[in-house]
Amino acid sequence: DAGITQSPRHKVTETGTPVTLRCHQTENHRYMYWYRQDPGHGLRLIHYSYGVKDTDKGEVSDGYSVSRSKTEDFLLTLESATSSQTSVYFCAISGPGQGPKGRPQHFGDGTRLSIL
Amino acid sequence: DQQVKQNSPSLSVQEGRISILNCDYTNSMFDYFLWYKKYPAEGPTFLISISSIKDKNEDGRFTVFLNKSAKHLSLHIVPSQPGDSAVYFCAATTQGGSEKLVFGKGTKLTVNP
Repeated sequence: DAGITQSPRHKVTETGTPVTLRCHQTENHRYMYWYRQDPGHGLRLIHYSYGVKDTDKGEVSDGYSVSRSKTEDFLLTLESATSSQTSVYFCAISGPGQGPKGRPQHFGDGTRLSIL
Repeated sequence: DQQVKQNSPSLSVQEGRISILNCDYTNSMFDYFLWYKKYPAEGPTFLISISSIKDKNEDGRFTVFLNKSAKHLSLHIVPSQPGDSAVYFCAATTQGGSEKLVFGKGTKLTVNP
C-alpha cells in the first residue's frame, strides 16, 4: 500500500468555522492532489501540488486553499466552511509521470467531513 | 462540461459471467486512461491502465480496450467474482505536465453469487 495517511478520518463541524485536513505521505512523491467525492459527481479535483510550495487549482477550487511546506505534507483548508462542502475528501499522490513509465495516482482512505 | 462519461450508474451480473463497464471521453488530448475500483469507506485503488498507443491491455481477469476513433474505452472482467462488487471509475489524463486525472462519475458493479 502506498504510504498515505489522511487526518482526521471523520469530522463534524459548523458552518463558518475553519477546517484543515491533512495528507501525509511517506513515498517522497512529487505530486499530491486533493479530491472531493459527491454522489452523482464522481471524483473532482480541488487543488494539486507539483512540489514544495508549488500548487495549482483544480476543477472545484472555490472556497478551498492548500499549502505544501514539506514534501510529505499537503494541507487542505476550508477558510469558512459551508454546508455545500460536506463531502468525502481524498488525497492522492503520484510519482514521476502517469504514463507507462510512470506510476498511477494512489489514494488515501478519505476524510468524511460534515458541515452542519 | 463532462469530459469523461460513464453513462451506466450501475451494472448487475452473475458470478462467472463477463462484466463490461464502459467509458466515453470528449477531450482528444487525453492519451492515458486508467480504471480505479472503490469499495465503501476506502479510497480508490488503481486497477489497470492503457496508453493511447495501444488498443488493448490485459492483466489477469481484467482487460481494457481502447477505441480512439470512437473515444471509447471499456473494462472487461472475466470471470466476474462477488469480490469484484464495487464502484468502478474511469479516468483520463494527458501525459506530462501536472498529470491531473479527470474522472467519470463511476459505475456500481454488483456481482451476484
